[in-house]
Amino acid sequence: QLQLQESGPGLVKPSETLSLTCAVSGGSVTSSAYYWGWFRQPPGKGLEWVGSVSYSGTTYYNPSLRSRIAISLDTSKNHFSLNLTSVTAADTAVYYCARPSDGSGFYWDFWGQGILLTVSS
Amino acid sequence: QSALTQPASVSGSPGQSITISCTGTSSDVGNYNSVSWYQQHPGKAPKLMIYEVSKRPSGISNRFSASKSGNTASLTISGLQAEDEADYYCCSHAGNRVLLFGGGTKLTVL
Repeated sequence: QLQLQESGPGLVKPSETLSLTCAVSGGSVTSSAYYWGWFRQPPGKGLEWVGSVSYSGTTYYNPSLRSRIAISLDTSKNHFSLNLTSVTAADTAVYYCARPSDGSGFYWDFWGQGILLTVSS
Repeated sequence: QSALTQPASVSGSPGQSITISCTGTSSDVGNYNSVSWYQQHPGKAPKLMIYEVSKRPSGISNRFSASKSGNTASLTISGLQAEDEADYYCCSHAGNRVLLFGGGTKLTVL
């Protein structure tokens, strides 16, 4: 059974870089045709797609975040990562990693439990 | 690209049916059959309930159905049960593998 687990610092200072990792077990990040994604949800607000990376490393980013984010695969550790630069309080959210059940990259049915990231000095 | 538009809240009594709308544009909902719906209980990760406009993943009750007409997608829950009380989000492909979510709808089972 595929399992995803987010990890990260929990607290980041404004203007710094946020780095989160999603550890994958029960599957490989290089499994052909799959995508891996990051989503976020500010406290009390709705879901937002952050970006996705394909099994081959091709990335797709939310246009509103594109200038600040990078998503990458680490095949040696079987995880994928999210880096978000120049964070502000608006980036405070629960961040989820996820994988779709098929190769479309549009329908996400395996999710991590989420990790709260707070931006504060 | 703006978020898809959903009603902030809907409610219904046990056994009744409710419908949640999700309005986008001709660049997202109206242009792609890649609409999905997620259920989210407080403190939990989202759960995929509908994909490709109207298909149910394995294990999802047939009380959940969905459709699309033009730029608006809809989720219908029939035979409301207490466990259906949750937030519901629509999501659509908006081109170039960009995904847009709706603002979410809080379903209250009276």
